[in-house]
Amino acid sequence: DTAVSQTPKYLVTQMGNDKSIKCEQNLGHDTMYWYKQDSKKFLKIMFSYNNKELIINETVPNRFSPKSPDKAHLNLHINSLELGDSAVYFCASSQGWSSGNTIYFGEGSWLTVV
Amino acid sequence: DAKTTQPTSMDCAEGRAANLPCNHSTISGNEYVYWYRQIHSQGPQYIIHGLKNNETNEMASLIITEDRKSSTLILPHATLRDTAVYYCIVRVATGGGNKLTFGTGTQLKVEL
Repeated sequence: DTAVSQTPKYLVTQMGNDKSIKCEQNLGHDTMYWYKQDSKKFLKIMFSYNNKELIINETVPNRFSPKSPDKAHLNLHINSLELGDSAVYFCASSQGWSSGNTIYFGEGSWLTVV
Repeated sequence: DAKTTQPTSMDCAEGRAANLPCNHSTISGNEYVYWYRQIHSQGPQYIIHGLKNNETNEMASLIITEDRKSSTLILPHATLRDTAVYYCIVRVATGGGNKLTFGTGTQLKVEL
């Protein structure tokens, strides 16, 4: 069973569209994250949620809106997609939000904006 | 979190030990050393972490120098499937938000 699963794995869409990426973890963790890996392969945190509450927001444009219906799910909605949003988006989770908790990643969602 | 320095790339013959170095000369006493790897087209995978003592698990061993300014990740018998980018990350042990700051890592290539 996949511990952290994301859908879709691949997404190609036009500029200006709105799209969502879904994430679910079956590890019973309290904390979930979204990371972005750009074309230069740099991997950076975007958001962190703990028990459905926003903990970290790393200066991400407000076109990006995470939503956590419950602690096992953290979806990422992106409005008015731009070319620069093309990247790989990784969902992740950890037992708790304090540092020292190991973070486990999903397989990634490849977003291409054309 | 302290900054880390890793070689850009390394090669290793299959079946041999792969020793990946990491310098973290500004590490603080309350900071852990974490290792993750990212196989091509996959998500980052946790390998191991340690504070002061050497650590070993089913994947690898982590050797931390006595002054904690550097460490080495050892894959005892590297296989082709170990080809990946390996990230050394230093993180505070307690307090603060839980986030990983990834550098550029070391591209390990395991060859026949």
